[in-house]
Amino acid sequence: AQSVTQPDIHITVSEGASLELRCNYSYGATPYLFWYVQSPGQGLQLLLKYFSGDTLVQGIKGFEAEFKRSQSSFNLRKPSVHWSDAAEYFCAVGEPFSGGYNKLIFGAGTRLAVHP
Amino acid sequence: GAVVSQHPSWVICKSGTSVKIECRSLDFQATTMFWYRQFPKQSLMLMATSNEGSKATYEQGVEKDKFLINHASLTLSTLTVTSAHPEDSSFYICSARVSEDSPLHFGNGTRLTVT
Repeated sequence: AQSVTQPDIHITVSEGASLELRCNYSYGATPYLFWYVQSPGQGLQLLLKYFSGDTLVQGIKGFEAEFKRSQSSFNLRKPSVHWSDAAEYFCAVGEPFSGGYNKLIFGAGTRLAVHP
Repeated sequence: GAVVSQHPSWVICKSGTSVKIECRSLDFQATTMFWYRQFPKQSLMLMATSNEGSKATYEQGVEKDKFLINHASLTLSTLTVTSAHPEDSSFYICSARVSEDSPLHFGNGTRLTVT
């Protein structure tokens, strides 16, 4: 069965510092890959996605992610973090199925704290 | 675009009663909707996949008779928690997608508290 691993449960960075959140997946074929962000008590907002093509994808709010097939990774990055980026970040994987994916499986999430 | 509305945002009910949660895609038609459950400070657990006009597909370990899912139209899916108990207290989030290869768009979730 496919799985998604976010090894960092909690990360704290200073405002203005760079950020990298890790995500690894376990699946034979290249899955559909997503990063979502969740503020407390809220639903999830899509940051970016990767289906195919250029392995470096740009998202909203200045985030980007790089797909590395050899490492089965899809790490999220931001060059300069803002205090408003403090939230929970989820990596999600969709198993390819019939022209799309059948369902999304989420990683455990990484809680980001930002110090002023 | 691609807005998903979930209602209510929070609900408190007594043990033994039933609660219905609605999920609507406001500006698109969603052939498939997904219901997730999230415990405090934990990830999202997929409960079921809801396809318009057909029975929902439940994940292993999810009681289909307790969590009734109906997807009567392309813009509305409902989750009914029947005979609720305190252990059903949780954050329930619905999501929908435009097509099979498009991202999921999430509602803002429903906080259910069973007393």
